[in-house]
Amino acid sequence: ETGVTQSPTHLIKTRGQQVTLRCSSQSGHNTVSWYQQALGQGPQFIFQYYREEENGRGNFPPRFSGLQFPNYSSELNVNALELDDSALYLCASSLNPDSYNEQFFGPGTRLTVL
Amino acid sequence: QKEVEQNSGPLSVPEGAIASLNCTYSDRGSQSFFWYRQYSGKSPELIMSIYSNGDKEDGRFTAQLNKASQYVSLLIRDSQPSDSATYLCAVRDTGRRALTFGSGTRLQVQP
Repeated sequence: ETGVTQSPTHLIKTRGQQVTLRCSSQSGHNTVSWYQQALGQGPQFIFQYYREEENGRGNFPPRFSGLQFPNYSSELNVNALELDDSALYLCASSLNPDSYNEQFFGPGTRLTVL
Repeated sequence: QKEVEQNSGPLSVPEGAIASLNCTYSDRGSQSFFWYRQYSGKSPELIMSIYSNGDKEDGRFTAQLNKASQYVSLLIRDSQPSDSATYLCAVRDTGRRALTFGSGTRLQVQP
């Protein structure tokens, strides 16, 4: 167990709906990165939050947005869901933005869009 | 578009053999490389990191890096059935704080 938790575990939505996924970072970690992992693919970087500010973004449209709270937990919001958004969404927390050796993934949220 | 390429497998090896997993990357400026293991239905867990050319050993695992050839590999000695998983190669992007992952190689260790 890494100490990183995500909720919910599974989620089913329909096209056009909006979804919010949550991540609690490991104690002492101030950085959260979000990844999307489609079936049979590696994780793709969505964005990173460091001390409540977005600190880098991948090639995802603006309907993917996020927040980080003062306790360093984080949310990923996806608007206007599309079928291709069906994936495992992973958050990873780390001690700081560059400490990849201490970056730990949560168990993920499996999102299905119908 | 920065890319990380892996053979999807499956790579099948008998128990006790050496499993060799390979990865190539396109960003010549990359400096940090990681291997993750992902069991089916689980999240990735970090196995090894490597930053310098050559070999780095940790228990049964050895990571090898050749920056000139833009090539990273992972050797697993004395493979066990519990090593059966997908192995993801990841490269730290230059210019942004993100990892680019390959699509993974599925390893099957036959008892």
